[in-house]
Amino acid sequence: GESVGLHLPTLSVQEGDNSIINCAYSNSASDYFIWYKQESGKGPQFIIDIRSNMDKRQGQRVTVLLNKTVKHLSLQIAATQPGDSAVYFCAEARGGSNYKLTFGKGTLLTVNP
Amino acid sequence: DGGITQSPKYLFRKEGQNVTLSCEQNLNHDAMYWYRQDPGQGLRLIYYSQIVNDFQKGDIAEGYSVSREKKESFPLTVTSAQKNPTAFYLCASRSAGETQYFGPGTRLLVL
Repeated sequence: GESVGLHLPTLSVQEGDNSIINCAYSNSASDYFIWYKQESGKGPQFIIDIRSNMDKRQGQRVTVLLNKTVKHLSLQIAATQPGDSAVYFCAEARGGSNYKLTFGKGTLLTVNP
Repeated sequence: DGGITQSPKYLFRKEGQNVTLSCEQNLNHDAMYWYRQDPGQGLRLIYYSQIVNDFQKGDIAEGYSVSREKKESFPLTVTSAQKNPTAFYLCASRSAGETQYFGPGTRLLVL
């Protein structure tokens, strides 16, 4: 069925290390993907997005990679900081400009000082 | 959070009572959404509206109702028919083809 899932529910890293959060999707018709960061008790915060005609997109300390062959998405965070500790969600969108998002369950990233 | 506000931050509901959650945006976004989040879970779509005076059911609309009388406002009513209303409710909005942004959320608790 159509779904967005995550390989690992939790990830623990040391401060300064790079973090990689993975996400699998099953619908090859998905044309837009978004990563969100959610801190405890707050709404999700947009991090970075990527469209299906791209393989890679970089932001400040973050990179998203899209592998359409294996339907896999990853979020790389460089030099992870304690403030990066949060739950990270990937979301999959279909439907063009009037898209609806489908969310995965999220990965809890813990950064140890 | 941007220009999306939700109120109240916490809301308590008595059994059999209807309660309304407010969502306002000043971003001139056409589309607005309501999601429900349960502990350790992803977000599930309740209702969405792509234009004023029009809205559609999401995946879990039973026990909820909405209205979209103004572009900037999309209130959600949790009715007494919703038997398990305790959750974190998130409102979002966006312009067509653009990124979706979220409000700070309302936590609903049942007394």
